[in-house]
Amino acid sequence: DVKVTQSSRYLVKRTGEKVFLECVQDMDHENMFWYRQDPGLGLRLIYFSYDVKMKEKGDIPEGYSVSREKKERFSLILESASTNQTSMYLCASSFLGGTQYFGPGTRLLVL
Amino acid sequence: DAKTTQPTSMDCAEGRAANLPCNHSTISGNEYVYWYRQIHSQGPQYIIHGLKNNETNEMASLIITEDRKSSTLILPHATLRDTAVYYCIVRVPQAGTALIFGKGTTLSVSS
Repeated sequence: DVKVTQSSRYLVKRTGEKVFLECVQDMDHENMFWYRQDPGLGLRLIYFSYDVKMKEKGDIPEGYSVSREKKERFSLILESASTNQTSMYLCASSFLGGTQYFGPGTRLLVL
Repeated sequence: DAKTTQPTSMDCAEGRAANLPCNHSTISGNEYVYWYRQIHSQGPQYIIHGLKNNETNEMASLIITEDRKSSTLILPHATLRDTAVYYCIVRVPQAGTALIFGKGTTLSVSS
């Protein structure tokens, strides 16, 4: 069974804080993704990575950065959290061109 | 990615088969049909996918019409835990491309 885990299910942070969201997959997938999901806006891609230390911007990268030092781990960083970054954050992984498998999600509230 | 059309909501009695339709009349020859579901406040869960042949796994069956313009996801014995939003996605499996979820079908299973 594919397993994608995320470091927290729920997180509450204050405006201006630096926030780290971690994602780990155990299937040796090359691709890893970070999405956010908001009511009425569906899934939106923030960043993806196709290999260690490689990253590509998605549709809404502003205010975010990512890190992939090891193949199994992909981190999303909010450099200075803002209230408009309150959202559900979803990590996914896949083989090249393969089916994407999602983690359980992190619901982030920025006050 | 081809556009898909799904009913907004469906009801199903526990223990009965749930048949969820999806129209994708503009599907092209190299696009696959994928199904995901999302239970409230959780990450999307992959269910099944197919190109043109019918597919079955431990979760569901996927029936694709011969002209590939529509498909049906079948949950053979729905349980209360199958209550979720079900998304039909048509896409070419390409590395690094984002999944785009439409509004999906909200399936309510009741006892």
